Amino acid sequence: EAGVAQSPRYKIIEKRQSVAFWCNPISGHATLYWYQQILGQGPKLLIQFQNNGVVDDSQLPKDRFSAERLKGVDSTLKIQPAKLEDSAVYLCASSLERGLAGIYEQYFGPGTRLTVT
Amino acid sequence: GESVGLHLPTLSVQEGDNSIINCAYSNSASDYFIWYKQESGKGPQFIIDIRSNMDKRQGQRVTVLLNKTVKHLSLQIAATQPGDSAVYFCAENGDNAGNMLTFGGGTRLMVKP
Repeated sequence: EAGVAQSPRYKIIEKRQSVAFWCNPISGHATLYWYQQILGQGPKLLIQFQNNGVVDDSQLPKDRFSAERLKGVDSTLKIQPAKLEDSAVYLCASSLERGLAGIYEQYFGPGTRLTVT
Repeated sequence: GESVGLHLPTLSVQEGDNSIINCAYSNSASDYFIWYKQESGKGPQFIIDIRSNMDKRQGQRVTVLLNKTVKHLSLQIAATQPGDSAVYFCAENGDNAGNMLTFGGGTRLMVKP
């Protein structure tokens, strides 16, 4: 079974520029998550999708971050404009269901390391 | 806000010894806990989980203990191997209606040959 795919693996941009990350979840996984992981810290959830709908985006800085999952499969996360503090690894994860009847394991991709200079 | 944290940022053990990684959580409503392993350049990998109605769960070479009285979680790794070297995170699910996880800060495990 193929895992969660992410691209690019690395990205270096200057502050105030824009950047986009792409995620392809495991086939059949309805739920998709984007996390931000700052160096030395645990991942922090930014947004959660169930199919093509947003379940929770309470921790997404909506003035500069946006995410979409238009067809309920692939997803993109965009930052515009980037700030220095956005330097982090952006992880995508997917799971079978949102978990009303139980908790489903989240499978993580390798992440995209963003450096903002 | 509610948070999950770890006591020790770095743990160094000798190969073959047992390792214990600790985690304190503050959300008493959390009902599900997971330990993840993250190797350099990779995403977190599921190790073992436990529900709040249990106090112990065993896997292959790993055991998770949950003490709800003091809101403490631990991961025990038996016969630690060089391949166990990684950062370990505990995470909690405090939302019964969803699959949202709150991660702790992580402990780096270093295994000396």
